[in-house]
Amino acid sequence: QKEVEQDPGPLSVPEGAIVSLNCTYSNSAFQYFMWYRQYSRKGPELLMYTYSSGNKEDGRFTAQVDKSSKYISLFIRDSQPSDSATYLCAINDYKLSFGAGTTVTVRA
Amino acid sequence: DTGVSQDPRHKITKRGQNVTFRCDPISEHNRLYWYRQTLGQGPEFLTYFQNEAQLEKSRLLSDRFSAERPKGSFSTLEIQRTEQGDSAMYLCASSLYRQGYNEQFFGPGTRLTVL
Repeated sequence: QKEVEQDPGPLSVPEGAIVSLNCTYSNSAFQYFMWYRQYSRKGPELLMYTYSSGNKEDGRFTAQVDKSSKYISLFIRDSQPSDSATYLCAINDYKLSFGAGTTVTVRA
Repeated sequence: DTGVSQDPRHKITKRGQNVTFRCDPISEHNRLYWYRQTLGQGPEFLTYFQNEAQLEKSRLLSDRFSAERPKGSFSTLEIQRTEQGDSAMYLCASSLYRQGYNEQFFGPGTRLTVL
């Protein structure tokens, strides 16, 4: 069993829609939960991270962690074509363990 | 540019050849990581260094792979006797390790194609 499982997608939404991305993880000891964005043929860049349970908001992006169900979510409000990318969840335990990534396309 | 840099960006080689990749981390970052990413998958951890010491190697890192960070600055990843299954994006990341949170910054990657 992989440490992090991610809904594979792909996901295609119209501009302005809410994008919802989800992952589950296996080890309840993990404390840092990350979301990376990766454009084609580029390295991942950190979008935001959450420590332990709860919500974190940054502009149009909201990250949620539910430790009781081992569930990680990322929501993108008012999605834009520039949000089209692959989104990777990861747990940060000195090394990163990534999900497979979900490719999102926002149609203008 | 003060980010993580990798060289080369692309490498095409024939099966059986040796290849070497270089990573220059962000200055003063004491940790350096190598990951491998295949199409449609997230990056997978290969190995990491704290300063010049290699602290962990994944089971993915077969005997044909070797990584060094001789002076605690740049790092090299060598693959000997390449196989077609080695075709992937090789990503380097660096971080300034502190107790607890440890943000890793990624380079652009080296895309390897083994023919």
